[in-house]
Amino acid sequence: KAGVTQTPRYLIKTRGQQVTLSCSPISGHRSVSWYQQTPGQGLQFLFEYFSETQRNKGNFPGRFSGRQFSNSRSEMNVSTLELGDSALYLCASSRSTSGTSDTQYFGPGTRLTVL
Amino acid sequence: AQKITQTQPGMFVQEKEAVTLDCTYDTSDPSYGLFWYKQPSSGEMIFLIYQGSYDQQNATEGRYSLNFQKARKSANLVISASQLGDSAMYFCAMREGDNAGNMLTFGGGTRLMVKP
Repeated sequence: KAGVTQTPRYLIKTRGQQVTLSCSPISGHRSVSWYQQTPGQGLQFLFEYFSETQRNKGNFPGRFSGRQFSNSRSEMNVSTLELGDSALYLCASSRSTSGTSDTQYFGPGTRLTVL
Repeated sequence: AQKITQTQPGMFVQEKEAVTLDCTYDTSDPSYGLFWYKQPSSGEMIFLIYQGSYDQQNATEGRYSLNFQKARKSANLVISASQLGDSAMYFCAMREGDNAGNMLTFGGGTRLMVKP
């Protein structure tokens, strides 16, 4: 079974630009979550999508947005990029079963550099 | 307050020895799950092991086991017979509540280095 895939793997942008990152979940997984990882702040939850609806949202500004398509694939968008947005963006998918044991499986990440 | 605390920024272990990575957590929710992930230098987070708050026994997965002490709110990862490929960052994470919705809160991580 194929794992979570993310494209592109690396991205270089300049301040003020916008960027779109893509994530394809494991087949059969309906929940997709996004995380930002930086050396200073560590791993932080951005948002989660389930059945094309945002189900949870972390504490990030509105410049960060996302969506999910009917095939569960997800995209996240960052507008008006800032230097501090340079990070590894990780996508994770899960079956979204009830209870706390629903395990999230992560993709390889997209490393975004903002110049 | 930090919800997940990993107090060991870095650790060395000799190949073939066992090592314990510490994790303490803070939650008032009686239902929660604790996860450990491994992140090699490539960046991908690899799921290792899960422990539920109501589980009576400590979780085990191959060379990985979890020393779960609920009263102390600790969930330490034990890696037996360390291998060179175990060198990586290790993250403890928690999911609170069993309502719908996924959100993991991560600790700061521990960098494990296995010496040959």
